[in-house]
Amino acid sequence: AQTVTQSQPEMSVQEAETVTLSCTYDTSESDYYLFWYKQPPSRQMILVIRQEAYKQQNATENRFSVNFQKAAKSFSLKISDSQLGDAAMYFCAYRSAGSGNTPLVFGKGTRLSVIA
Amino acid sequence: DAGVTQSPTHLIKTRGQQVTLRCSPKSGHDTVSWYQQALGQGPQFIFQYYEEEERQRGNFPDRFSGHQFPNYSSELNVNALLLGDSALYLCASSLEWDRGRGETQYFGPGTRLLVL
Repeated sequence: AQTVTQSQPEMSVQEAETVTLSCTYDTSESDYYLFWYKQPPSRQMILVIRQEAYKQQNATENRFSVNFQKAAKSFSLKISDSQLGDAAMYFCAYRSAGSGNTPLVFGKGTRLSVIA
Repeated sequence: DAGVTQSPTHLIKTRGQQVTLRCSPKSGHDTVSWYQQALGQGPQFIFQYYEEEERQRGNFPDRFSGHQFPNYSSELNVNALLLGDSALYLCASSLEWDRGRGETQYFGPGTRLLVL
């Protein structure tokens, strides 16, 4: 079974600075998808960014980018120019691309605080 | 474009009771997945519904059951509630057509269930 590990329970960053959240995963599969979700206090899980394992290019969405290292099974999230609204729980998630209907496997999350 | 909606937002029950949670998927989506998120944890997959049938199930007992209606909305039922069932229950919708493409799941705001 696949597992996702987020080793940083809490992180903090100064407003306008850059922060990197870590995620590692364990899988024997070669084709899969990786996601970062944000969960603010409102509880709604919001997709931040996704990465297809077959793509070597790291995904980027505005101030959010990932560093995907397939061989190391690492998928970190970089947030540039941090804003107060970025404060939330961030979850890394894995999804198999195999046949059948595979669920998302989540890590335990990292709580990000943004300091004004 | 209506997003995923869930009702109720909060619920308090006592041990042994039964509860029904409801979810309406994002407009155009036909697949609904349910997740349980215990306090301080990442979401865990309960089951997924498509074409009114349960397609895949996580490691949850039979006390957890569900249903999907012809309009794609879904219900999660939990019987014989235990204290440990206290959690945030998240519904996520996706489009079957995107399944082979690692479809993105869109989450609702969740239902907070407290079992006393």
